[in-house]
Amino acid sequence: DTAVSQTPKYLVTQMGNDKSIKCEQNLGHDTMYWYKQDSKKFLKIMFSYNNKELIINETVPNRFSPKSPDKAHLNLHINSLELGDSAVYFCASRNRNTEAFFGQGTRLTVV
Amino acid sequence: GNSVTQMEGPVTLSEEAFLTINCTYTATGYPSLFWYVQYPGEGLQLLLKATKADDKGSNKGFEATYRKETTSFHLEKGSVQVSDSAVYFCAPLPYGNNRLAFGKGNQVVVIP
Repeated sequence: DTAVSQTPKYLVTQMGNDKSIKCEQNLGHDTMYWYKQDSKKFLKIMFSYNNKELIINETVPNRFSPKSPDKAHLNLHINSLELGDSAVYFCASRNRNTEAFFGQGTRLTVV
Repeated sequence: GNSVTQMEGPVTLSEEAFLTINCTYTATGYPSLFWYVQYPGEGLQLLLKATKADDKGSNKGFEATYRKETTSFHLEKGSVQVSDSAVYFCAPLPYGNNRLAFGKGNQVVVIP
């Protein structure tokens, strides 16, 4: 059973489009994250939710909007996609003071 | 806030060589410390962790010791294998804080 699953795994889309990435965890964790990994492997935290409440919102363009319908899900919607949004996006989850578990990533390519 | 510094640049070494990757951090209180590994095409997975001063985390031949006095958590392995080729990330997590931020990562390439 996959602990943290993301869909889709690959996403190729044109500039200006709107797209969503979905994340689900079956670990019963109460905190979930979105990270962006660039081509140099730098991993930047974007958002974090705890029990469906937004608790971390880093400096991210407001074209990015996370949504957490319940504790087990955290989706990422991106409006008006730009070339610079091309990256690998990772979802992660954890409980208080424990390690995080990561999904396999979504490789987004904007053309 | 918390931050972490990893040594610059990729690391290339021969099989059976000794590996060290330095990590120093700043964090309030007494953070838990983690090393994560990312194999090609995969997500991050926990390699080892330590939750209090002087603890030693170990896994798959890797070790790191929580050094509070030097705020460091250096990763070591005595004899690397080609299968250890990956990107390694250090991450402090302050107690009671949700901001899990990572260092820049170190690409390790082990050549036969």
